[in-house]
Amino acid sequence: DVVMTQTPVSLPVSLGGQASISCRSSQSLVHSNGNTYLHWYLQKPGQSPQLLIYRVSNRFSGVPDRFSGSGSGTDFTLKISRVEPEDLGDYYCLQSTHFPRTFGGGTKLELK
Amino acid sequence: QIQLVQSGPELKKPGESVKISCKASGYTFTDYAMHWVKQAPGKGLKWMGWINTYTGKPTYADDFKGRFVFSLEASASTANLQISNLKNEDTATYFCARANYGPFDYWGQGVMVTVSS
Repeated sequence: DVVMTQTPVSLPVSLGGQASISCRSSQSLVHSNGNTYLHWYLQKPGQSPQLLIYRVSNRFSGVPDRFSGSGSGTDFTLKISRVEPEDLGDYYCLQSTHFPRTFGGGTKLELK
Repeated sequence: QIQLVQSGPELKKPGESVKISCKASGYTFTDYAMHWVKQAPGKGLKWMGWINTYTGKPTYADDFKGRFVFSLEASASTANLQISNLKNEDTATYFCARANYGPFDYWGQGVMVTVSS
């Protein structure tokens, strides 16, 4: 199975500041079709996860441009600029290149 | 608009069974696979497997083989998850989410299943 290692586990931020979350995979996430199926989610308390970024760097519908994704191969990053209160919660990466699908362990974004 | 609406919370005793549903609307049901994800209290997300909504073929992650069954009521655009012989460690929220190889783009609201004697 592909192991997804997310860091940090907890990330204290100030409103208006910037946050960066790392996700590393134990194998390359480049599919044989050339696409890289690495995605990012935010889960707010009591809610289901919501898709933020798909295939490394594409923002999902309605996601503000404060969110950006980058990376390749086995090393990926989610950046949040100008953090707002609604950005607080648990962030997860997901790989859907390989079966079984695997999630990162999560990063809690909280106020400093 | 695209929606996945799941059934309500369940309280069960060890050894019992539970069946939870996920009704899709706003898109062609058979165009997207349906995946199931478990989240134990205070823990992260764990992929359980998926069902091909066109053929009805289920695929289970290793930890979910045996007591877990994915099924469809395609005419009702509904996917179901049944768990038999419930154990305390099955206490969790179960999400359905649709995907077409790529990301799980729309999720159900989740069903809290509590197993307690």
